[in-house]
Amino acid sequence: GAGVSQTPSNKVTEKGKYVELRCDPISGHTALYWYRQSLGQGPEFLIYFQGTGAADDSGLPNDRFFAVRPEGSVSTLKIQRTERGDSAVYLCASSHTSGSYNEQFFGPGTRLTVL
Amino acid sequence: RKEVEQDPGPFNVPEGATVAFNCTYSNSASQSFFWYRQDCRKEPKLLMSVYSSGNEDGRFTAQLNRASQYISLLIRDSKLSDSATYLCVVTSYSGAGSYQLTFGKGTKLSVIP
Repeated sequence: GAGVSQTPSNKVTEKGKYVELRCDPISGHTALYWYRQSLGQGPEFLIYFQGTGAADDSGLPNDRFFAVRPEGSVSTLKIQRTERGDSAVYLCASSHTSGSYNEQFFGPGTRLTVL
Repeated sequence: RKEVEQDPGPFNVPEGATVAFNCTYSNSASQSFFWYRQDCRKEPKLLMSVYSSGNEDGRFTAQLNRASQYISLLIRDSKLSDSATYLCVVTSYSGAGSYQLTFGKGTKLSVIP
Protein backbone atom coordinates (compact mmCIF):
# COMPACT_ATOMS: atom_id res chain seq x y z
CA GLY A 1 0.00 0.00 0.00
CA ALA A 2 0.96 3.65 -0.24
CA GLY A 3 3.26 5.05 2.38
CA VAL A 4 3.37 8.52 3.89
CA SER A 5 3.66 11.18 1.22
CA GLN A 6 4.84 14.75 1.59
CA THR A 7 4.70 17.70 -0.76
CA PRO A 8 6.59 19.55 -1.97
CA SER A 9 9.79 17.52 -1.85
CA ASN A 10 11.82 20.71 -1.97
CA LYS A 11 10.86 24.27 -1.13
CA VAL A 12 13.05 27.31 -1.55
CA THR A 13 11.75 30.56 -0.14
CA GLU A 14 12.98 33.94 0.93
CA LYS A 15 13.36 35.14 4.48
CA GLY A 16 10.11 36.55 5.76
CA LYS A 17 7.83 34.53 3.48
CA TYR A 18 5.06 32.13 4.50
CA VAL A 19 5.24 28.42 3.62
CA GLU A 20 2.95 25.43 3.87
CA LEU A 21 4.15 21.86 3.93
CA ARG A 22 1.73 19.01 3.36
CA CYS A 23 1.64 15.49 4.75
CA ASP A 24 -0.61 12.66 3.59
CA PRO A 25 -0.40 9.81 6.14
CA ILE A 26 -0.98 6.13 5.60
CA SER A 27 -4.70 5.50 5.25
CA GLY A 28 -6.28 4.55 8.56
CA HIS A 29 -3.46 5.87 10.71
CA THR A 30 -4.91 8.05 13.44
CA ALA A 31 -1.63 9.33 14.86
CA LEU A 32 0.41 11.87 12.88
CA TYR A 33 3.69 13.49 13.85
CA TRP A 34 5.85 16.29 12.49
CA TYR A 35 9.63 16.36 12.99
CA ARG A 36 12.41 18.66 11.87
CA GLN A 37 15.86 17.36 10.95
CA SER A 38 18.81 19.69 10.61
CA LEU A 39 22.04 18.63 8.95
CA GLY A 40 24.02 16.20 11.07
CA GLN A 41 21.27 15.87 13.67
CA GLY A 42 18.56 13.37 14.40
CA PRO A 43 14.92 14.30 13.82
CA GLU A 44 13.46 16.61 16.45
CA PHE A 45 9.81 16.31 17.51
CA LEU A 46 7.52 19.23 16.66
CA ILE A 47 3.87 18.23 17.07
CA TYR A 48 1.59 15.21 17.41
CA PHE A 49 -2.01 14.81 16.23
CA GLN A 50 -4.43 12.17 17.40
CA GLY A 51 -7.28 12.45 14.92
CA THR A 52 -8.03 16.09 14.25
CA GLY A 53 -6.64 17.55 17.45
CA ALA A 54 -3.09 18.53 18.28
CA ALA A 55 -2.53 16.41 21.37
CA ASP A 56 1.04 17.59 21.94
CA ASP A 57 2.57 20.71 20.37
CA SER A 58 5.38 21.07 22.88
CA GLY A 59 8.05 20.76 20.21
CA LEU A 60 7.00 23.75 18.12
CA PRO A 61 9.89 26.21 18.46
CA ASN A 62 7.80 29.40 18.53
CA ASP A 63 4.49 30.88 17.45
CA ARG A 64 5.60 31.21 13.83
CA PHE A 65 4.97 27.50 13.51
CA PHE A 66 1.45 26.08 13.34
CA ALA A 67 -0.05 22.82 12.10
CA VAL A 68 -3.55 21.63 11.32
CA ARG A 69 -5.26 18.36 10.52
CA PRO A 70 -8.87 19.42 9.94
CA GLU A 71 -10.34 16.09 8.80
CA GLY A 72 -8.06 13.74 10.70
CA SER A 73 -6.10 12.72 7.63
CA VAL A 74 -3.95 15.21 5.69
CA SER A 75 -1.95 17.64 7.79
CA THR A 76 -0.37 20.97 6.90
CA LEU A 77 2.57 22.52 8.72
CA LYS A 78 2.56 26.30 8.35
CA ILE A 79 5.55 28.54 8.96
CA GLN A 80 5.12 32.30 9.04
CA ARG A 81 7.85 34.90 8.55
CA THR A 82 10.43 32.26 7.71
CA GLU A 83 13.97 32.70 8.97
CA ARG A 84 17.22 31.22 7.65
CA GLY A 85 17.39 29.04 10.77
CA ASP A 86 14.18 27.31 9.68
CA SER A 87 16.09 25.62 6.86
CA ALA A 88 15.90 21.87 7.49
CA VAL A 89 14.16 18.72 6.33
CA TYR A 90 10.63 18.55 7.71
CA LEU A 91 9.53 14.95 8.23
CA CYS A 92 6.04 13.67 8.78
CA ALA A 93 5.29 10.28 10.30
CA SER A 94 2.12 8.34 11.01
CA SER A 95 1.24 5.32 13.10
CA HIS A 96 -1.83 3.18 13.53
CA THR A 97 -2.27 4.34 17.12
CA SER A 98 -0.09 6.23 19.55
CA GLY A 99 1.13 3.37 21.74
CA SER A 100 4.71 3.36 22.91
CA TYR A 101 5.83 0.48 20.69
CA ASN A 102 3.77 1.38 17.65
CA GLU A 103 6.03 1.85 14.66
CA GLN A 104 6.05 5.32 13.14
CA PHE A 105 6.32 5.34 9.36
CA PHE A 106 8.10 8.36 7.96
CA GLY A 107 7.50 10.21 4.74
CA PRO A 108 10.37 11.27 2.46
CA GLY A 109 10.38 14.77 3.94
CA THR A 110 10.26 18.30 2.58
CA ARG A 111 13.62 20.01 2.28
CA LEU A 112 13.05 23.66 3.15
CA THR A 113 15.67 26.24 2.25
CA VAL A 114 15.22 29.81 3.42
CA LEU A 115 17.46 32.25 1.56
CA ARG B 1 23.38 16.93 28.42
CA LYS B 2 21.50 15.59 25.40
CA GLU B 3 18.63 13.23 26.13
CA VAL B 4 19.98 10.56 23.81
CA GLU B 5 23.70 10.30 23.15
CA GLN B 6 25.41 8.04 20.63
CA ASP B 7 28.93 7.16 19.62
CA PRO B 8 30.14 10.03 17.43
CA GLY B 9 31.34 7.86 14.53
CA PRO B 10 31.87 7.61 11.67
CA PHE B 11 32.61 3.91 11.68
CA ASN B 12 34.49 2.62 8.64
CA VAL B 13 34.65 -1.18 8.66
CA PRO B 14 35.55 -3.87 6.11
CA GLU B 15 32.93 -6.25 4.79
CA GLY B 16 32.40 -9.15 7.14
CA ALA B 17 33.39 -7.22 10.25
CA THR B 18 31.37 -7.03 13.43
CA VAL B 19 30.51 -3.53 14.59
CA ALA B 20 28.83 -2.31 17.76
CA PHE B 21 27.00 0.95 18.41
CA ASN B 22 26.27 2.29 21.86
CA CYS B 23 23.69 4.74 23.10
CA THR B 24 22.80 6.24 26.46
CA TYR B 25 19.63 8.07 27.46
CA SER B 26 19.01 10.46 30.31
CA ASN B 27 15.27 10.05 31.02
CA SER B 28 14.83 7.15 33.41
CA ALA B 29 11.06 7.20 32.69
CA SER B 30 11.65 6.30 29.05
CA GLN B 31 9.37 3.50 28.01
CA SER B 32 10.37 2.07 24.69
CA PHE B 33 13.51 1.89 22.62
CA PHE B 34 14.38 1.50 18.98
CA TRP B 35 17.09 1.56 16.39
CA TYR B 36 16.20 3.32 13.17
CA ARG B 37 18.25 3.31 10.00
CA GLN B 38 18.55 6.33 7.73
CA ASP B 39 20.12 6.21 4.30
CA CYS B 40 21.63 9.36 2.83
CA ARG B 41 18.92 11.92 2.01
CA LYS B 42 16.18 9.43 2.85
CA GLU B 43 13.68 9.12 5.67
CA PRO B 44 14.38 7.09 8.84
CA LYS B 45 13.07 3.54 8.83
CA LEU B 46 12.59 1.26 11.79
CA LEU B 47 15.37 -1.33 12.02
CA MET B 48 14.29 -2.99 15.24
CA SER B 49 12.66 -2.43 18.58
CA VAL B 50 14.78 -3.07 21.66
CA TYR B 51 13.44 -5.07 24.57
CA SER B 52 14.80 -5.63 28.06
CA SER B 53 15.47 -9.29 27.37
CA GLY B 54 17.53 -8.41 24.31
CA ASN B 55 16.48 -9.37 20.83
CA GLU B 56 18.00 -10.58 17.62
CA ASP B 57 16.98 -10.23 13.99
CA GLY B 58 19.32 -12.08 11.67
CA ARG B 59 22.72 -10.39 11.83
CA PHE B 60 21.43 -7.66 14.15
CA THR B 61 21.32 -7.93 17.95
CA ALA B 62 19.95 -5.22 20.23
CA GLN B 63 20.43 -4.99 23.97
CA LEU B 64 18.87 -2.77 26.61
CA ASN B 65 20.13 -2.14 30.13
CA ARG B 66 17.53 -0.06 31.96
CA ALA B 67 19.63 0.24 35.13
CA SER B 68 22.50 1.81 33.20
CA GLN B 69 20.18 3.54 30.70
CA TYR B 70 22.19 2.04 27.90
CA ILE B 71 21.22 0.58 24.52
CA SER B 72 23.43 -1.23 22.04
CA LEU B 73 23.25 -2.56 18.50
CA LEU B 74 25.57 -5.25 17.20
CA ILE B 75 25.88 -5.96 13.49
CA ARG B 76 27.64 -9.19 12.53
CA ASP B 77 29.10 -10.04 9.12
CA SER B 78 28.69 -6.47 7.82
CA LYS B 79 27.46 -6.04 4.25
CA LEU B 80 28.00 -3.11 1.91
CA SER B 81 24.24 -2.54 2.10
CA ASP B 82 24.52 -1.90 5.86
CA SER B 83 26.16 1.46 5.11
CA ALA B 84 23.81 4.07 6.59
CA THR B 85 23.29 6.23 9.65
CA TYR B 86 21.94 4.39 12.67
CA LEU B 87 19.71 6.39 14.98
CA CYS B 88 19.10 5.45 18.59
CA VAL B 89 15.52 6.35 19.55
CA VAL B 90 13.86 6.53 22.95
CA THR B 91 10.17 7.05 23.63
CA SER B 92 8.73 8.82 26.63
CA TYR B 93 5.13 9.47 27.55
CA SER B 94 4.44 13.19 27.30
CA GLY B 95 0.80 13.22 28.33
CA ALA B 96 -2.46 13.41 26.36
CA GLY B 97 -1.81 9.97 24.90
CA SER B 98 1.37 11.10 23.22
CA TYR B 99 4.60 9.14 23.13
CA GLN B 100 7.40 11.38 21.91
CA LEU B 101 10.28 9.84 20.00
CA THR B 102 13.61 11.37 20.96
CA PHE B 103 16.37 10.66 18.48
CA GLY B 104 20.11 10.61 18.95
CA LYS B 105 22.28 12.39 16.39
CA GLY B 106 23.02 9.11 14.70
CA THR B 107 26.18 7.18 13.95
CA LYS B 108 27.31 6.85 10.37
CA LEU B 109 28.50 3.43 9.25
CA SER B 110 30.46 2.87 6.06
CA VAL B 111 31.18 -0.74 5.11
CA ILE B 112 34.15 -0.90 2.79
CA PRO B 113 34.74 -3.64 0.16
